[in-house]
Amino acid sequence: AQSVAQPEDQVNVAEGNPLTVKCTYSVSGNPYLFWYVQYPNRGLQFLLKYITGDNLVKGSYGFEAEFNKSQTSFHLKKPSALVSDSALYFCAVRDEYSSASKIIFGSGTRLSIRP
Amino acid sequence: AAGVIQSPRHLIKEKRETATLKCYPIPRHDTVYWYQQGPGQDPQFLISFYEKMQSDKGSIPDRFSAQQFSDYHSELNMSSLELGDSALYFCASSLGTSNSPLHFGNGTRLTVT
Repeated sequence: AQSVAQPEDQVNVAEGNPLTVKCTYSVSGNPYLFWYVQYPNRGLQFLLKYITGDNLVKGSYGFEAEFNKSQTSFHLKKPSALVSDSALYFCAVRDEYSSASKIIFGSGTRLSIRP
Repeated sequence: AAGVIQSPRHLIKEKRETATLKCYPIPRHDTVYWYQQGPGQDPQFLISFYEKMQSDKGSIPDRFSAQQFSDYHSELNMSSLELGDSALYFCASSLGTSNSPLHFGNGTRLTVT
């Protein structure tokens, strides 16, 4: 069985400060991990993925995520937040043997950046 | 770059009516997925197609059906609509490789009254 958890419903950060959106996962094999962002009334937009290799993955809009196998985490980070980063963020996971449709989404974290 | 195109963007139907949602995947993407997202919820997988054949089935009600056509576009047909079917319906597409990310359209907002 596979699962993904985003423990925070909401994260509030001041513009210019670093941000972290947390994600932990559980899979039976090696994980494929993804982060998506969703703006109001829009589809999910792919930010970055971890398949294998470097634990630090860089993605779109200055976001990065760190894969930590021992802590089964894949936290999303950005060194300096922008007001335009305010959106809903979804972590997603599936194991390496599952088809792409078996991807599991977290419950989402609403990121709010104040000016 | 071309994205996933969904139509219509908004649809209002009455109970027991039928609805058809359309999805045009990114060119050269051979796999299409349908998701349903209720208010404040994460997307729930309904069904997927690879090379015009159904490849996976999720929590799709029996009242719903879908298919992928020769030009790779897909349609989700929904019959006997219920109030609880009101949601955002997303289509996503990907290349057939196992580690390709899903690329989502902007969705169809279905309201059943």
